[in-house]
Amino acid sequence: DGGITQSPKYLFRKEGQNVTLSCEQNLNHDAMYWYRQDPGQGLRLIYYSQIVNDFQKGDIAEGYSVSREKKESFPLTVTSAQKNPTAFYLCASSIDLRGRRNQPQHFGDGTRLSIL
Amino acid sequence: GIQVEQSPPDLILQEGANSTLRCNFSDSVNNLQWFHQNPWGQLINLFYIPSGTKQNGRLSATTVATERYSLLYISSSQTTDSGVYFCAVEVVNFGNEKLTFGTGTRLTIIP
Repeated sequence: DGGITQSPKYLFRKEGQNVTLSCEQNLNHDAMYWYRQDPGQGLRLIYYSQIVNDFQKGDIAEGYSVSREKKESFPLTVTSAQKNPTAFYLCASSIDLRGRRNQPQHFGDGTRLSIL
Repeated sequence: GIQVEQSPPDLILQEGANSTLRCNFSDSVNNLQWFHQNPWGQLINLFYIPSGTKQNGRLSATTVATERYSLLYISSSQTTDSGVYFCAVEVVNFGNEKLTFGTGTRLTIIP
C-alpha cells in the first residue's frame, strides 16, 4: 500500500547526541515536510522540501537539519543544539505544489523523541 | 503570519450528540484541511476543503473563504470520534506554500 513510513516510533536520546528520524514515502510525492508537536499544542513546521536536493526552513528550524537526496526520503536530524528536543515529530508529503496547487498533505504515524 | 483560531478548545459530549467545530483564519488561503488526531497520535485527513461543502458519512465540513472561516460538523457522535481535531491552512504564496495549524479542539465522547 502507498503511504508514509516513519521510524522508529519511539526514540530515546542522551543529552549531547545527535539523532536522525527517518521518513520514507512511496506516494511519488514531490514535497515533504517535518513538523514538531508538543503536548497539548498544534503542529509547527520545522523544514520542508519541494524537490530533490532543495529544502527550506520552516518556523522552528534552529537545532535541526535535513537532507533530500532522494525523492522518497526526507530524514530529520535533531542536533545537540536543539535544547528541548522532547516532542512528537510528524512527517508529511504532498504532490508538487508548483503548477498544481491546492494539494492536501498526508501524514506518517510519527516518532516520539525523549531525552534520557 | 496567518493566525488560525479554533473553537471551542475542549468539548465533552454524550454519545449520539451532534457537534460543530469552528476554524477562523486571518488571511486568504488556497488550502484548508481538517484532521483528526487519535489518542495514539495518528493524524488522519478528514477533509481538504478550501471552499464549499463536503460530506463523508457522519462528518461534513463547510468553508466560507470570503468570510475566513470553516466549520466541521459531527453528527451522532461515537466514542471513536474522541481525539483532537485540527484545522490547517495554507496561505496564497506561490512557491512557498506551507500549512499553518490551529491549536485544535479536544473532543471527548462519553458512552
